[in-house]
Amino acid sequence: SQQGEEDPQALSIQEGENATMNCSYKTSINNLQWYRQNSGRGLVHLILIRSNEREKHSGRLRVTLDTSKKSSSLLITASRAADTASYFCATDLNTGGFKTIFGAGTRLFVKA
Amino acid sequence: DAMVIQNPRYQVTQFGKPVTLSCSQTLNHNVMYWYQQKSSQAPKLLFHYYDKDFNNEADTPDNFQSRRPNTSFCFLDIRSPGLGDAAMYLCATSRDLEPQHFGDGTRLSIL
Repeated sequence: SQQGEEDPQALSIQEGENATMNCSYKTSINNLQWYRQNSGRGLVHLILIRSNEREKHSGRLRVTLDTSKKSSSLLITASRAADTASYFCATDLNTGGFKTIFGAGTRLFVKA
Repeated sequence: DAMVIQNPRYQVTQFGKPVTLSCSQTLNHNVMYWYQQKSSQAPKLLFHYYDKDFNNEADTPDNFQSRRPNTSFCFLDIRSPGLGDAAMYLCATSRDLEPQHFGDGTRLSIL
């Protein structure tokens, strides 16, 4: 089964509202990352949070990490139609290697 | 701008006919990855190169192979594509364990 599981699978909101996406994982990690993917395009790195950090901000993005619950959340504030995309969490396993495991993703649709 | 470029963006091949997908980067990153992504699913790591060292994932099918002739280029060879290999193939690069930079992918169709 996947290391990262995300919910919801899909989210539809109005422009200006906040969007929250959650990610859970199973094993010990070095860090957790969030990526965005527009339809038919590659993934774009948004933010990285290390295992010893609890919260991180970048512009309208806020990421939290709870290692005791093995979960993370991504909050996008004041959403815009241009935020419509799929959002993936990704974990780097604490094995010293280069294996990044992506969750199944949340499809966000922001209505103008 | 430094980037990861994948060619072609769309590739159509026949069942069983070998196909090669290419990736180039101007970022001078030492790690290059190949992912397979099927519709509405997570990208799945096939293999990666750390410099010249090739690392295959245990569940990567045997008919998938890769070459990295130099730092800038990496190729994905599918020896005998089956219908189940139709997917988006994403190339990514990183400097060591830093976040990855992705190309826009090659969408592979099998006739």
